Amino acid sequence: KAGVTQTPRYLIKTRGQQVTLSCSPISGHRSVSWYQQTPGQGLQFLFEYFSETQRNKGNFPGRFSGRQFSNSRSEMNVSTLELGDSALYLCASSKGQGGDTQYFGPGTRLTVL
Amino acid sequence: QKEVEQNSGPLSVPEGAIASLNCTYSDRVSQSFFWYRQYSGKSPELIMSIYSNGDKEDGRFTAQLNKASQYVSLLIRDSQPSDSATYLCAVNKNNAGKSTFGDGTTLTVKP
Repeated sequence: KAGVTQTPRYLIKTRGQQVTLSCSPISGHRSVSWYQQTPGQGLQFLFEYFSETQRNKGNFPGRFSGRQFSNSRSEMNVSTLELGDSALYLCASSKGQGGDTQYFGPGTRLTVL
Repeated sequence: QKEVEQNSGPLSVPEGAIASLNCTYSDRVSQSFFWYRQYSGKSPELIMSIYSNGDKEDGRFTAQLNKASQYVSLLIRDSQPSDSATYLCAVNKNNAGKSTFGDGTTLTVKP
């Protein structure tokens, strides 16, 4: 079974720009969660989508948004980029039941200059 | 107080030794617990999940859960240099795709 895929793997943007990241979950998985990982803050939960609906949301500003398509693929968008948005963005997929194991994709490394 | 706390590390053990990684969590409603391993520059990969009190063994890895003490640990027996990585503890309140992670403990296994 193919794992979680994320594109692109690396991105360099400048402040003020916006960016869209993509995630394709494991086949059959309906839940996609997004996390931000930085050296200072560790792994922090952004949001989760299940059946095209945002089911959980972390404590991030509204500049961070996402969506999920009918095939469970998900996109995450960050608008008006700030230097502090530089991070590894990780997508995790699961079947979507409480307590299910999450499997991570390889991540997208975003650098904001 | 952080919701999930791990040994600050770094932890260094000789090859062949037992490495012990600890994690405490603050919310008693937490139901599911996970250990992930993350190599430098890579994404986290699952090592073990545990849901009930007691021990769970998988090869050289043993996870231990004590819900009364709000404590979960990971033991790595016969540690190998390839075990050198950061180990992340994750806690889930049966809230589907939302897990809370500790800051991780970096383990170095010296040949």
